[in-house]
Amino acid sequence: KAGVTQTPRYLIKTRGQQVTLSCSPISGHRSVSWYQQTPGQGLQFLFEYFSETQRNKGNFPGRFSGRQFSNSRSEMNVSTLELGDSALYLCASSMTADQPQHFGDGTRLSIL
Amino acid sequence: GNSVTQMEGPVTLSEEAFLTINCTYTATGYPSLFWYVQYPGEGLQLLLKATKADDKGSNKGFEATYRKETTSFHLEKGSVQVSDSAVYFCALRINFGNEKLTFGTGTRLTIIP
Repeated sequence: KAGVTQTPRYLIKTRGQQVTLSCSPISGHRSVSWYQQTPGQGLQFLFEYFSETQRNKGNFPGRFSGRQFSNSRSEMNVSTLELGDSALYLCASSMTADQPQHFGDGTRLSIL
Repeated sequence: GNSVTQMEGPVTLSEEAFLTINCTYTATGYPSLFWYVQYPGEGLQLLLKATKADDKGSNKGFEATYRKETTSFHLEKGSVQVSDSAVYFCALRINFGNEKLTFGTGTRLTIIP
């Protein structure tokens, strides 16, 4: 069974640009969550989607947005990139709310 | 709010030593508890979980017991191996709430031969 797939694995951008990250969940999983991992702040929840609807959102500015498609694949977008957005962005999927989340290997975003 | 406090790292042990990584939590609701492990360059892998008080999660020789009276979920292993070197995260999720996981800061474990 294929795991959670995140693309691209690495990305380099400059300040002010925007970026889109992609996540394909495990087949049959309808919930997709996104997390930001940095050395200073650790793992922080960004948002969660279920059946194309955002169910929960963390404390991030509006520059961070996401969406989910009918096939459960999800994208997150960050606009007007700042140096502090450099991080590992992790996607996780689960079948239902009471099942554990399974994580992808992440997209490492570097802002120059 | 919800929070998880983990033992500060890094932790360095010799192979075959006994491991304990402490984890305590505060929660406004009724949580499930998890341990995740992260190897270099990878995402998080679920190591074990417990969904209610007194449950014991176990996997690959690791164990943790959900202690509601002490709000703890300490990770233990009787004999560690070099391959156990990784970063370990304790996390909680409120049952009947939503998918959001609240993580501890992580504990880096290094096992030397």
